[in-house]
Amino acid sequence: AQKITQTQPGMFVQEKEAVTLDCTYDTSDPSYGLFWYKQPSSGEMIFLIYQGSYDQQNATEGRYSLNFQKARKSANLVISASQLGDSAMYFCAMREGLGGGGADGLTFGKGTHLIIQP
Amino acid sequence: DAMVIQNPRYQVTQFGKPVTLSCSQTLNHNVMYWYQQKSSQAPKLLFHYYDKDFNNEADTPDNFQSRRPNTSFCFLDIRSPGLGDAAMYLCATSRDHTGVGNEQFFGPGTRLTVL
Repeated sequence: AQKITQTQPGMFVQEKEAVTLDCTYDTSDPSYGLFWYKQPSSGEMIFLIYQGSYDQQNATEGRYSLNFQKARKSANLVISASQLGDSAMYFCAMREGLGGGGADGLTFGKGTHLIIQP
Repeated sequence: DAMVIQNPRYQVTQFGKPVTLSCSQTLNHNVMYWYQQKSSQAPKLLFHYYDKDFNNEADTPDNFQSRRPNTSFCFLDIRSPGLGDAAMYLCATSRDHTGVGNEQFFGPGTRLTVL
Protein backbone atom coordinates (compact mmCIF):
# COMPACT_ATOMS: atom_id res chain seq x y z
CA ALA A 1 0.00 0.00 0.00
CA GLN A 2 1.17 3.49 -0.78
CA LYS A 3 2.28 5.48 2.20
CA ILE A 4 1.72 8.86 0.57
CA THR A 5 -1.13 9.44 -1.87
CA GLN A 6 -1.52 12.53 -4.00
CA THR A 7 -4.67 12.15 -6.06
CA GLN A 8 -4.26 15.17 -8.34
CA PRO A 9 -1.74 14.46 -11.12
CA GLY A 10 -2.23 17.96 -12.53
CA MET A 11 -4.04 21.19 -11.71
CA PHE A 12 -4.70 24.42 -13.57
CA VAL A 13 -5.37 27.48 -11.42
CA GLN A 14 -5.91 31.11 -12.26
CA GLU A 15 -3.32 33.55 -10.97
CA LYS A 16 -4.20 35.11 -7.58
CA GLU A 17 -6.58 32.31 -6.68
CA ALA A 18 -5.98 30.05 -3.70
CA VAL A 19 -5.15 26.42 -4.43
CA THR A 20 -5.31 23.28 -2.31
CA LEU A 21 -3.10 20.31 -3.09
CA ASP A 22 -4.28 17.06 -1.55
CA CYS A 23 -2.17 14.58 0.38
CA THR A 24 -3.17 11.57 2.43
CA TYR A 25 -0.77 9.33 4.26
CA ASP A 26 -0.66 5.94 5.88
CA THR A 27 1.38 5.05 8.94
CA SER A 28 0.95 3.19 12.20
CA ASP A 29 3.79 5.07 13.84
CA PRO A 30 2.53 7.71 16.32
CA SER A 31 5.58 9.87 15.59
CA TYR A 32 5.98 11.16 12.06
CA GLY A 33 6.67 14.30 10.11
CA LEU A 34 5.01 15.56 6.97
CA PHE A 35 6.76 17.75 4.44
CA TRP A 36 5.86 19.58 1.27
CA TYR A 37 8.46 20.25 -1.40
CA LYS A 38 8.30 22.25 -4.62
CA GLN A 39 10.24 21.05 -7.65
CA PRO A 40 10.51 23.50 -10.57
CA SER A 41 11.47 22.27 -14.02
CA SER A 42 15.13 22.89 -13.15
CA GLY A 43 14.97 19.92 -10.80
CA GLU A 44 15.94 21.09 -7.33
CA MET A 45 13.65 20.21 -4.44
CA ILE A 46 12.67 23.28 -2.43
CA PHE A 47 11.37 22.80 1.09
CA LEU A 48 8.08 24.60 1.73
CA ILE A 49 6.53 23.54 5.00
CA TYR A 50 6.64 20.94 7.77
CA GLN A 51 4.03 19.49 10.14
CA GLY A 52 4.85 17.16 13.01
CA SER A 53 2.36 14.54 14.13
CA TYR A 54 2.26 15.99 17.65
CA ASP A 55 1.91 19.60 16.56
CA GLN A 56 -1.34 21.05 17.82
CA GLN A 57 -1.59 23.85 15.31
CA ASN A 58 -1.49 23.78 11.54
CA ALA A 59 1.83 24.92 10.12
CA THR A 60 2.08 28.16 8.17
CA GLU A 61 4.96 29.67 6.18
CA GLY A 62 4.13 32.87 4.36
CA ARG A 63 1.65 32.04 1.59
CA TYR A 64 1.81 28.34 2.43
CA SER A 65 -0.29 26.64 5.05
CA LEU A 66 -0.85 23.00 5.85
CA ASN A 67 -4.35 21.78 6.59
CA PHE A 68 -3.53 18.91 8.94
CA GLN A 69 -6.40 16.57 9.76
CA LYS A 70 -4.84 13.82 11.82
CA ALA A 71 -7.90 11.61 12.18
CA ARG A 72 -8.33 11.57 8.40
CA LYS A 73 -4.58 11.20 7.85
CA SER A 74 -4.67 14.18 5.58
CA ALA A 75 -2.09 16.95 5.12
CA ASN A 76 -3.22 19.24 2.34
CA LEU A 77 -1.09 22.17 1.20
CA VAL A 78 -2.86 25.48 0.71
CA ILE A 79 -1.24 28.20 -1.36
CA SER A 80 -2.92 31.56 -1.00
CA ALA A 81 -2.86 34.19 -3.77
CA SER A 82 -1.11 31.98 -6.33
CA GLN A 83 1.58 33.48 -8.55
CA LEU A 84 2.94 32.49 -11.95
CA GLY A 85 6.17 31.42 -10.24
CA ASP A 86 4.25 28.80 -8.27
CA SER A 87 4.01 26.64 -11.39
CA ALA A 88 5.95 23.47 -10.54
CA MET A 89 5.66 19.89 -9.28
CA TYR A 90 4.63 19.65 -5.65
CA PHE A 91 5.53 16.63 -3.56
CA CYS A 92 4.13 15.57 -0.22
CA ALA A 93 6.54 13.47 1.84
CA MET A 94 6.63 11.69 5.16
CA ARG A 95 9.31 10.68 7.59
CA GLU A 96 8.34 8.07 10.17
CA GLY A 97 9.80 7.79 13.61
CA LEU A 98 10.23 4.01 13.34
CA GLY A 99 9.20 3.48 16.90
CA GLY A 100 11.32 6.25 18.31
CA GLY A 101 14.62 5.21 16.82
CA GLY A 102 16.52 6.84 14.04
CA ALA A 103 14.48 7.86 11.06
CA ASP A 104 15.39 7.02 7.49
CA GLY A 105 14.82 9.16 4.44
CA LEU A 106 11.64 10.65 3.13
CA THR A 107 8.86 8.72 1.43
CA PHE A 108 7.39 10.82 -1.35
CA GLY A 109 4.03 10.86 -3.07
CA LYS A 110 3.82 10.88 -6.85
CA GLY A 111 3.39 14.63 -6.96
CA THR A 112 0.96 17.17 -8.38
CA HIS A 113 1.88 19.26 -11.40
CA LEU A 114 0.50 22.73 -10.70
CA ILE A 115 0.17 25.23 -13.52
CA ILE A 116 -0.77 28.81 -12.74
CA GLN A 117 -2.47 30.58 -15.62
CA PRO A 118 -2.41 34.38 -16.08
CA ASP B 1 25.76 30.63 1.45
CA ALA B 2 25.75 27.15 2.94
CA MET B 3 24.49 24.70 0.40
CA VAL B 4 24.40 21.29 -1.23
CA ILE B 5 26.31 21.07 -4.50
CA GLN B 6 26.06 18.34 -7.11
CA ASN B 7 28.45 17.82 -9.99
CA PRO B 8 27.99 17.47 -12.80
CA ARG B 9 24.45 18.75 -13.40
CA TYR B 10 24.18 16.62 -16.53
CA GLN B 11 26.01 13.37 -17.09
CA VAL B 12 25.97 11.18 -20.19
CA THR B 13 27.41 7.69 -20.04
CA GLN B 14 27.37 4.60 -22.16
CA PHE B 15 25.57 1.39 -21.34
CA GLY B 16 27.79 -0.59 -18.97
CA LYS B 17 30.39 2.15 -18.45
CA PRO B 18 30.94 2.97 -14.76
CA VAL B 19 29.95 6.46 -13.70
CA THR B 20 30.38 8.47 -10.49
CA LEU B 21 28.17 11.31 -9.34
CA SER B 22 29.41 13.78 -6.77
CA CYS B 23 27.76 15.64 -3.91
CA SER B 24 29.31 18.10 -1.49
CA GLN B 25 27.86 20.15 1.32
CA THR B 26 28.93 23.18 3.31
CA LEU B 27 26.22 22.71 5.96
CA ASN B 28 28.35 20.37 8.09
CA HIS B 29 25.39 18.02 8.33
CA ASN B 30 25.82 14.53 9.70
CA VAL B 31 23.48 12.77 7.29
CA MET B 32 23.72 12.56 3.51
CA TYR B 33 21.13 10.86 1.28
CA TRP B 34 20.95 9.74 -2.32
CA TYR B 35 17.58 9.60 -4.10
CA GLN B 36 16.75 8.37 -7.60
CA GLN B 37 13.94 10.14 -9.45
CA LYS B 38 12.86 8.68 -12.77
CA SER B 39 10.88 10.75 -15.22
CA SER B 40 7.48 11.82 -13.87
CA GLN B 41 7.96 9.76 -10.72
CA ALA B 42 8.55 10.44 -7.05
CA PRO B 43 12.09 10.46 -5.65
CA LYS B 44 13.06 7.11 -4.20
CA LEU B 45 15.65 6.72 -1.46
CA LEU B 46 18.65 4.59 -2.46
CA PHE B 47 20.79 4.85 0.68
CA HIS B 48 22.11 7.25 3.25
CA TYR B 49 25.11 7.86 5.47
CA TYR B 50 24.87 8.87 9.07
CA ASP B 51 28.39 10.13 9.60
CA LYS B 52 30.39 7.11 8.34
CA ASP B 53 27.62 4.61 8.97
CA PHE B 54 26.19 3.40 5.65
CA ASN B 55 22.49 2.45 5.43
CA ASN B 56 21.29 0.75 2.27
CA GLU B 57 17.61 0.47 1.34
CA ALA B 58 16.52 -3.13 0.93
CA ASP B 59 15.51 -2.76 -2.71
CA THR B 60 18.50 -0.75 -3.92
CA PRO B 61 20.25 -2.76 -6.66
CA ASP B 62 23.81 -3.93 -6.03
CA ASN B 63 24.80 -1.95 -9.10
CA PHE B 64 24.60 1.18 -6.94
CA GLN B 65 27.33 1.92 -4.42
CA SER B 66 28.24 4.94 -2.35
CA ARG B 67 31.29 6.39 -0.65
CA ARG B 68 31.65 9.11 1.92
CA PRO B 69 35.33 9.90 2.42
CA ASN B 70 34.64 12.83 4.78
CA THR B 71 31.78 14.90 6.20
CA SER B 72 31.59 17.18 3.17
CA PHE B 73 31.59 14.74 0.26
CA CYS B 74 29.49 11.80 -0.81
CA PHE B 75 29.70 9.87 -4.09
CA LEU B 76 27.25 7.68 -5.96
CA ASP B 77 28.90 4.99 -8.08
CA ILE B 78 26.93 3.10 -10.71
CA ARG B 79 29.09 0.14 -11.65
CA SER B 80 27.37 -0.92 -14.87
CA PRO B 81 24.65 1.54 -15.87
CA GLY B 82 21.68 0.17 -17.73
CA LEU B 83 19.11 2.08 -19.74
CA GLY B 84 16.76 1.83 -16.78
CA ASP B 85 19.18 3.80 -14.61
CA ALA B 86 18.60 6.99 -16.57
CA ALA B 87 17.13 9.38 -14.01
CA MET B 88 17.66 12.47 -11.92
CA TYR B 89 19.85 11.71 -8.91
CA LEU B 90 19.24 13.94 -5.93
CA CYS B 91 21.59 14.36 -3.01
CA ALA B 92 20.20 15.64 0.28
CA THR B 93 21.53 16.36 3.75
CA SER B 94 20.04 16.71 7.20
CA ARG B 95 21.57 17.89 10.41
CA ASP B 96 20.83 14.78 12.36
CA HIS B 97 19.58 11.25 12.00
CA THR B 98 17.00 11.20 14.76
CA GLY B 99 13.84 13.21 14.95
CA VAL B 100 11.15 13.17 12.32
CA GLY B 101 11.32 16.95 11.91
CA ASN B 102 14.85 17.20 10.61
CA GLU B 103 14.52 19.03 7.32
CA GLN B 104 16.35 17.64 4.34
CA PHE B 105 18.21 20.08 2.14
CA PHE B 106 18.47 19.03 -1.48
CA GLY B 107 21.05 19.73 -4.12
CA PRO B 108 20.08 20.69 -7.68
CA GLY B 109 20.39 17.10 -8.89
CA THR B 110 22.39 15.35 -11.60
CA ARG B 111 20.46 14.23 -14.65
CA LEU B 112 21.96 10.98 -15.93
CA THR B 113 21.51 9.84 -19.51
CA VAL B 114 22.54 6.31 -20.52
CA LEU B 115 23.18 5.72 -24.22
